[in-house]
Amino acid sequence: QLQLQDSGPRLLQPSETLSLTCSVSGASISGSSYYWGWIRQSPGRGLEWIGNVYYSGNTYYNPSLKSRVSISVDRSKNQFSLNLSSATATDTAVYYCGRIFLDTVLVLFARRYHFYIDVWGKGTTVTVSS
Amino acid sequence: QSLLTQPPSLSAAPGQKVTISCSGSSSNIGNNYVSWYQQLPGTAPKLLIYDNDKRPSGIPDRFSGSKSGTSATLGITGLQTGDEADYYCGTWDSSLSAGLFGGGTKLTVL
Repeated sequence: QLQLQDSGPRLLQPSETLSLTCSVSGASISGSSYYWGWIRQSPGRGLEWIGNVYYSGNTYYNPSLKSRVSISVDRSKNQFSLNLSSATATDTAVYYCGRIFLDTVLVLFARRYHFYIDVWGKGTTVTVSS
Repeated sequence: QSLLTQPPSLSAAPGQKVTISCSGSSSNIGNNYVSWYQQLPGTAPKLLIYDNDKRPSGIPDRFSGSKSGTSATLGITGLQTGDEADYYCGTWDSSLSAGLFGGGTKLTVL
């Protein structure tokens, strides 16, 4: 059964880089139709998609975070990672890693996207505070 | 402010039916597939519906999804106290090349 386990520092100082790693067990991160990504939830707020990476390295990022975010994959370790630079208090949140199905089909000459997260990690609470 | 609009809260009695709406635009819901997630208090979200109306294995048929134009709807019949949770819609935005979630709806089962 596929499981995702995230890890990383839980407390950061402002301006530091937030770094989290998600270890995948029960399936290979390579050679599937799935992307691997990150979603966060600020205290008392809704879900915010951060971005996702394919095993080949292809990435998509939230436009509002794009200048600060990087998501990469380590196929040898079956892991993927999130780096968010110049952290501020507004980056305080629960960070979830997830397996993301992202695919496109042509329907009546229009490109339509499938997008859903079918497996979620348990979440890591990250606090940015001095 | 999310590009996908959901009612912040809804309430209904046990045994009743409830529908949760999710409104977007042609660049997201209008042209792409919608998913729905249930988040019980203190836990990670769980996929309830994908591709507008498909249920993953293990999700009871009390949960259903539909889409029309630029809006989508999650339906829950035979409400149980265990259904009390936050519900989120999600989709892809073709113009932004980005994933989107709705603001979430808190369902209270009275």
